[in-house]
Amino acid sequence: TQLLEQSPQFLSIQEGENLTVYCNSSSVFSSLQWYRQEPGEGPVLLVTVVTGGEVKKLKRLTFQFGDARKDSSLHITAAQPGDTGLYLCAGLVEETSGSRLTFGEGTQLTVNP
Amino acid sequence: KAGVTQTPRYLIKTRGQQVTLSCSPISGHRSVSWYQQTPGQGLQFLFEYFSETQRNKGNFPGRFSGRQFSNSRSEMNVSTLELGDSALYLCASSLSTVQYFGPGTRLTVT
Repeated sequence: TQLLEQSPQFLSIQEGENLTVYCNSSSVFSSLQWYRQEPGEGPVLLVTVVTGGEVKKLKRLTFQFGDARKDSSLHITAAQPGDTGLYLCAGLVEETSGSRLTFGEGTQLTVNP
Repeated sequence: KAGVTQTPRYLIKTRGQQVTLSCSPISGHRSVSWYQQTPGQGLQFLFEYFSETQRNKGNFPGRFSGRQFSNSRSEMNVSTLELGDSALYLCASSLSTVQYFGPGTRLTVT
């Protein structure tokens, strides 16, 4: 069973601060996806990283995939209240029978104005 | 294109009852996956259907079952409900490896 550990579980910061969320595993994944979920809604995909060492930027969000494709990080610069939400990392495992996503437990981020 | 829709959005059931949840995928998507989300366990994979066949299954008891119809719409059923089945049930459809989630069905078992 592939497990993904996310840290921290909870993060409360002030507007303008920077933060990093980590997603670690002992397993190798085909790709790693980051989602954000808001209350009452399903997760929405932010980014997919596929290549070891890959870095992707989405405005103030920077995503990095570890060289060994076992871990990833999400860095947010100058956080804003609109960034508040549950951030989930998910590793994709592709099997002959199909593919499945294994999710981390999530990081609940609160950005206070 | 319309997104993934799930019905009902909220449901309250009593222990021992059964429940059926419905999911309509994005048009053209043939794969539908189901997940259970709880505060303690996070998002856990239930099963995946592709072209009316169950292609992958998570580690849940046999009380949890599903099916997919020829139009790719999917249903999941939980029989003999337990208090611990209270959760947000999410459905996701996909064309490749990217999954698009619906808003979920909030099930409360009393």
